[in-house]
Amino acid sequence: AQSVTQPDIHITVSEGASLELRCNYSYGATPYLFWYVQSPGQGLQLLLKYFSGDTLVQGIKGFEAEFKRSQSSFNLRKPSVHWSDAAEYFCAAQGNKLVFGAGTILRVKS
Amino acid sequence: DTEVTQTPKHLVMGMTNKKSLKCEQHMGHRAMYWYKQKAKKPPELMFVYSYEKLSINESVPSRFSPECPNSSLLNLHLHALQPEDSALYLCASSLTPPGTGTYEQYFGPGTRLTVT
Repeated sequence: AQSVTQPDIHITVSEGASLELRCNYSYGATPYLFWYVQSPGQGLQLLLKYFSGDTLVQGIKGFEAEFKRSQSSFNLRKPSVHWSDAAEYFCAAQGNKLVFGAGTILRVKS
Repeated sequence: DTEVTQTPKHLVMGMTNKKSLKCEQHMGHRAMYWYKQKAKKPPELMFVYSYEKLSINESVPSRFSPECPNSSLLNLHLHALQPEDSALYLCASSLTPPGTGTYEQYFGPGTRLTVT
């Protein structure tokens, strides 16, 4: 079955520190991959997407993600976290429908 | 413009009420979706409309009735809901339907539904 795994339920980082959120997928072929961010009570905002080509993709708000086929991973990174980045982050994979990971809640401490 | 709008923002309804949620996009997208999201959980797909026709129903109870009057509008009619149906209901749209090419889904802000 198609699945997306986000191993970390919560992550806390200090403001200004670097961030990496993990995502692994299980699909028959390379799916289309996405990262979304959701602030409390809000909708989901698309941060970035991977369809094919360059395995390092740039997104909005200074985020980037790297697709690694050998590891079935699509980890999200940011070099310097801001307090406003505190939110829940969802990795998702598109086969015949969009399948989400369980989400990672990011807390930023000042 | 990548905006999907949803109304109302909040809705409180009794179990015998009939209400509707509305979603609108003007991006020329030909696929629209309804998701349900419970607290601390990811969104769960409910329905997909492709070119204004229902293409996916994820075994959703009949007390939820979707409608797509035109390519820009998507409604979700609610009737005889249960308290466990309380959730954030998200609408999304994409340029092309699932399986027809590369695309991403854009989400609206959601309707927070409380069933009393």
